Amino acid sequence: DAGVTQSPTHLIKTRGQHVTLRCSPISGHKSVSWYQQVLGQGPQFIFQYYEKEERGRGNFPDRFSARQFPNYSSELNVNALLLGDSALYLCASSLIAGGDQPQHFGDGTRLSIL
Amino acid sequence: AQTVTQSQPEMSVQEAETVTLSCTYDTSENNYYLFWYKQPPSRQMILVIRQEAYKQQNATENRFSVNFQKAAKSFSLKISDSQLGDTAMYFCAFGPWVAQKLVFGQGTRLTINP
Repeated sequence: DAGVTQSPTHLIKTRGQHVTLRCSPISGHKSVSWYQQVLGQGPQFIFQYYEKEERGRGNFPDRFSARQFPNYSSELNVNALLLGDSALYLCASSLIAGGDQPQHFGDGTRLSIL
Repeated sequence: AQTVTQSQPEMSVQEAETVTLSCTYDTSENNYYLFWYKQPPSRQMILVIRQEAYKQQNATENRFSVNFQKAAKSFSLKISDSQLGDTAMYFCAFGPWVAQKLVFGQGTRLTINP
């Protein structure tokens, strides 16, 4: 079975632009979470979606938004990009929501802001 | 808010040796989960081991085991018979009981030398 897939693998944007990152969960998984990992730090939670509804949100500005589609894939959108948004963005999926469910991570999207 | 602290930025051991990575956390919750994740240079976050806070017995997974001290809020990872493939960043993470909002530590870079 395919794991969590994220696209693109990496991309370069300039300040002020908008970006959309995509994530396809493992087949059968209904929960998707997004994390931001700045170089040299641990990942930070951004969003969790379950059954197309937002179930959790981390301490990120409103420039960050996300949604989940009927096939459980997800998009993370970031508007008005800042230099500080440069990071590895990780997507994780699990069967259902709940702390006992192990999260399976994708390889991430490396976003560089010039 | 929960916090996770990993006090060892880097560690290095010889192949076949045993190594212990430290982690402390802070929370006011009574039920929760603790995790160790491994992140090799390939970037994918891989679950190594999980501990439920209500269980007194320490979790083990083959060469990996934990020492969970709930009162001290300590959660260390022991790797026995270390192998070259264990070289990676290791992250300790706190997981709430009902949500999937993982809180990660800063990570420990572990190098296994031949």
